[in-house]
Amino acid sequence: VQLVESGGGAVQPGRSQRLSCEASGFYFSGYGMHWVRQAPGKGLEWVASISYDGLDRYYAESTKGRFTISRDISKTALYLDMSSLTVEDTAMYYCAKEGGGATFLDHWGQGTLVTVSS
Amino acid sequence: SYVLTQAPSVSVAPEETARISCGGNNIGTKSVHWYQQRPGQAPVLVMSADRNRPSGIPDRFSGYNSGSTATLTISRVEAGDEADYYCQVWHSTTNHWVFGGGTKLTVL
Repeated sequence: VQLVESGGGAVQPGRSQRLSCEASGFYFSGYGMHWVRQAPGKGLEWVASISYDGLDRYYAESTKGRFTISRDISKTALYLDMSSLTVEDTAMYYCAKEGGGATFLDHWGQGTLVTVSS
Repeated sequence: SYVLTQAPSVSVAPEETARISCGGNNIGTKSVHWYQQRPGQAPVLVMSADRNRPSGIPDRFSGYNSGSTATLTISRVEAGDEADYYCQVWHSTTNHWVFGGGTKLTVL
């Protein structure tokens, strides 16, 4: 299993950014996927999840209405579209795979850093 | 929302036993998972569903969950176990995934 995030970088407050996660080594269409973030020096914070078939999506209260999670089966890719970014969104963003039919994350990417600053 | 509470830090000497706790309302009725995060690295699953060790995790790691507290126990602690440890549950009412605040394990 390999998960490779990209799309991080510096962005100004109020702007938008898209993160991508390329998945390989497993049957992408069969597993739920998540985004988890970690602000500098802080703990892990669950951001959003999407079901294996893309029909169900859930968001943390802190990101609801601003972030959109999606997946492209043909590209075996996971996305996070972020809008109205604030400095509080500055964090390392990890893509993670659900265990089969389970409520834990059994594989994580190395993360992509998003820095929101003017 | 559901809250998981962890002590900020735990310190143990090598070869001793470390116990890392995770508190939550009736957490014993939930399935608790644990992640290890070494400095500068991504989290790694070290315990799933209270007491199941993923492949490659040494049997020095064990888990227990009952009542209002889940515990990750690391026996015969080694320097390489020094890391942050996070508990996590799925909150069925909201379909949200919840992490504890993390516990920093220091090996003296």
